[in-house]
Amino acid sequence: SSELTQDPGVSVALGQIVRITCQGDSLRSYYASWYQQKPGQAPVLVVYGKNNRPSGIPDRFSGSSSGNTASLTITGAQAEDEADYYCYSRDTSGNHRVFGGGTKLTVL
Amino acid sequence: QVQLQQWGAGLLKPSETLSLTCAVYGGSFSGYYWTWIRQPPGKGLEWIGEIHHSGNTNYNPSLKSRVTISGDTSKNQFSLRLSSVTAADTAVYYCARGGSGVIFTYYFYYMDVWGKGTTVTVSS
Repeated sequence: SSELTQDPGVSVALGQIVRITCQGDSLRSYYASWYQQKPGQAPVLVVYGKNNRPSGIPDRFSGSSSGNTASLTITGAQAEDEADYYCYSRDTSGNHRVFGGGTKLTVL
Repeated sequence: QVQLQQWGAGLLKPSETLSLTCAVYGGSFSGYYWTWIRQPPGKGLEWIGEIHHSGNTNYNPSLKSRVTISGDTSKNQFSLRLSSVTAADTAVYYCARGGSGVIFTYYFYYMDVWGKGTTVTVSS
């Protein structure tokens, strides 16, 4: 099991808001980064740090953090956002990196 | 634009050593964590380990006894070796460029450039 816990699956209606969460004790001290992965493709960084987006990532993607929970919010979900999403940060010991188990986002 | 190109053997027998190399094009080797990640079929991502441009390494505790990550700054390349492979090591292996930062007392880590992945199958 991962030290970062994600819901296995989340669904959202087209154009609506969806929040994908990541829980873990290490998140009280470290920000998470978020990755989108579509079938057969390498992951893509979508949010990192407090709330930073790499060039080319739409501004409907945003990140936030509170206590032991990091969140990725998609405001106005599009069909092309259907994918697996992974959070990433440090483990509880602070010495190593770890991924969350991933959340499969379905856009209805 | 930085690109990572990775290569290595895709089919191994149990007990053999996995060996993959990732070349960095269009960017500096300095200042980053050069990282290996894997993904078993139908499963999530697993961090294998990283090498900092300084040469310091950091490995997943569950793989540490079998993993070696090395770097060649003269070639802008870094490599992964995983010994004594079994069927459980069957996965897509990715290389990635990792960065870090700090905001007040909060640190963060990310991987902003990824290779396309190499499928490694372990089978007798």
